[in-house]
Amino acid sequence: QSALTQPASMSGSPGQSITVSCTGTSSDVGGYNYVSWYQQHPGKAPNLLIYDVTNRPSGVSNRFSGSKSGNTASLTISGLQAEDEADYYCTSYSSRSGSNSVVFGGGTKLTVL
Amino acid sequence: QVQLVQSGAEVKKPGASVRVSCKASGYTFTAYFIHWVRQAPGQGLEWMGFINPNTGSTKSPQRFQGWVTMTKDTSISTAYMELNRLSSDDTAVYYCARGYATWYFDVWGRGTLVTVSS
Repeated sequence: QSALTQPASMSGSPGQSITVSCTGTSSDVGGYNYVSWYQQHPGKAPNLLIYDVTNRPSGVSNRFSGSKSGNTASLTISGLQAEDEADYYCTSYSSRSGSNSVVFGGGTKLTVL
Repeated sequence: QVQLVQSGAEVKKPGASVRVSCKASGYTFTAYFIHWVRQAPGQGLEWMGFINPNTGSTKSPQRFQGWVTMTKDTSISTAYMELNRLSSDDTAVYYCARGYATWYFDVWGRGTLVTVSS
């Protein structure tokens, strides 16, 4: 069982917007602005989409945006495209049990209809 | 450009050990942590820990302590992850990734498939 909770699957039609949630606790998502999001296509390594909750690395489309409210972080993908069909993972720094660590969400499989 | 190049696929028997390498290029190796993440077939990502290439200090979650060893060779800008007492549950793709101070990973290796089978 993953430390952060994401919906297992989501779907949307081209052009639509979808929001993937990532729920943790005050020891991780809620306590720090150290949430990041990754996109992973089948057979490929993960690719950084969002870091520090809202920041986008250069080269990542502005259709991807991040936010956080309380213990839940969110990734919004606007103007869905076929190439967005992939798995999406959130991560956060965690201070649970007093240790510095990284926790992952279980991943969300996005299908573009 | 910044790259992490990992060693090739491995097939190991239960109880054996495996060492995966991760060679960095295009940046100062000692300036960024190297993290290790694994992904079992059809499963999600699991963080295994990190090594500070500058000091050699490491950190891993409790479940991997005493079981995973992370080392580095600064002279060749390479980090290593060794996993002992392999079982079939350790069959996975193992990734190395460059880590920033705010705990995100901006560059990933392509992954190394480790298969544990008798």
